Amino acid sequence: SQQGEEDPQALSIQEGENATMNCSYKTSINNLQWYRQNSGRGLVHLILIRSNEREKHSGRLRVTLDTSKKSSSLLITASRAADTASYFCATDASGNTPLVFGKGTRLSVIA
Amino acid sequence: GAVVSQHPSWVICKSGTSVKIECRSLDFQATTMFWYRQFPKQSLMLMATSNEGSKATYEQGVEKDKFLINHASLTLSTLTVTSAHPEDSSFYICSARDQDRGGETQYFGPGTRLLVL
Repeated sequence: SQQGEEDPQALSIQEGENATMNCSYKTSINNLQWYRQNSGRGLVHLILIRSNEREKHSGRLRVTLDTSKKSSSLLITASRAADTASYFCATDASGNTPLVFGKGTRLSVIA
Repeated sequence: GAVVSQHPSWVICKSGTSVKIECRSLDFQATTMFWYRQFPKQSLMLMATSNEGSKATYEQGVEKDKFLINHASLTLSTLTVTSAHPEDSSFYICSARDQDRGGETQYFGPGTRLLVL
């Protein structure tokens, strides 16, 4: 049931740089969410963007959504070593169905 | 925010034994819970949807007789891995929606790491 594709699969940047991750999906959605997962740990919910929204901000995070292209991007500004983790997009089709996760991007921020 | 707990957080068992994982919604009632599995360096894959008071709905390719799901109350769903084998070693994560709060957010448990020797 996995429908999201993220790119890049892996990203390595220097501390202070910005990190951009992209997500594409295949079917219509109610909302799209981004999660972070540290190695071997549980998921941390980062941000939710609804299908009628185009951009959303939360702290150093900026998420965009283009429903015509069925794609979303997550931008982390001024990255820190603590941002090192895997990032997943997940799509919600209707609010009652389970989230469907993309393959994820492994981000490494080098101090 | 709503909290979902899982128990145990990790388990090591011998091949052929059965392992039960509990998923609880701590401050809300969940008529539906979801079970995901995550292999190393991969994403979360939905295994099944657990429905309170009725049979679970399994995703294609997931053996319902191997992964038994029981959702006996509005706050508890259990996943039993029967006759576990090394290939069942994985990270199992449950989640639930709080419909009383709109159901938009899916809350995830911290996961259970299973290692089958």
